[in-house]
Amino acid sequence: SAVISQKPSRDICQRGTSLTIQCQVDSQVTMMFWYRQQPGQSLTLIATANQGSEATYESGFVIDKFPISRPNLTFSTLTVSNMSPEDSSIYLCSVDAGITSGANVLTFGAGSRLTVL
Amino acid sequence: AQKITQTQPGMFVQEKEAVTLDCTYDTSDQSYGLFWYKQPSSGEMIFLIYQGSYDEQNATEGRYSLNFQKARKSANLVISASQLGDSAMYFCAMRERNTGNQFYFGTGTSLTVIP
Repeated sequence: SAVISQKPSRDICQRGTSLTIQCQVDSQVTMMFWYRQQPGQSLTLIATANQGSEATYESGFVIDKFPISRPNLTFSTLTVSNMSPEDSSIYLCSVDAGITSGANVLTFGAGSRLTVL
Repeated sequence: AQKITQTQPGMFVQEKEAVTLDCTYDTSDQSYGLFWYKQPSSGEMIFLIYQGSYDEQNATEGRYSLNFQKARKSANLVISASQLGDSAMYFCAMRERNTGNQFYFGTGTSLTVIP
């Protein structure tokens, strides 16, 4: 299955700043997914990043706050803009790993743990 | 309504014992898949096991098995012979054919293995 490298693994940020998270996959994939996991919570899909087109955002997430780039089939970035303490979360990049155990399984990066002061 | 419900926020199990983590789901789709992921304190999500809605037999992967009861819409994870390294958050998830790429995750169960 795909191997995903995500960075930074963690960061402490100041309120009002922006941070870009990078996601690199070791194989070409059509879609990449960005999830947010707030402290003690489950995973929520932010957006789906398609190469060559605008990302598709889920309800409650907007491009101005979470701009996404997808310049090629192995790389994507997520920016968290104008951060506030409420943005303190783990941000996870994921891809469809292909068929594993008979299903399309999501493979995840190690996550980026952001703390906003 | 919640797509995935995990009613056990925290569970404890003695090392070498078996433990069952509960998961119920809600869907009107006939074709769907159920997944379990493990999230250690490091934060990475690790795929454990999958069960398809049309699978006749319960899925097994090493010490993990999935107790699939379709009529009850439950997909409980059974971990046998618990090890200290099993201490982690466990998430149940579902993917429906009708909603394409969307994965629905439960709120998770924190498992602590006691030596």
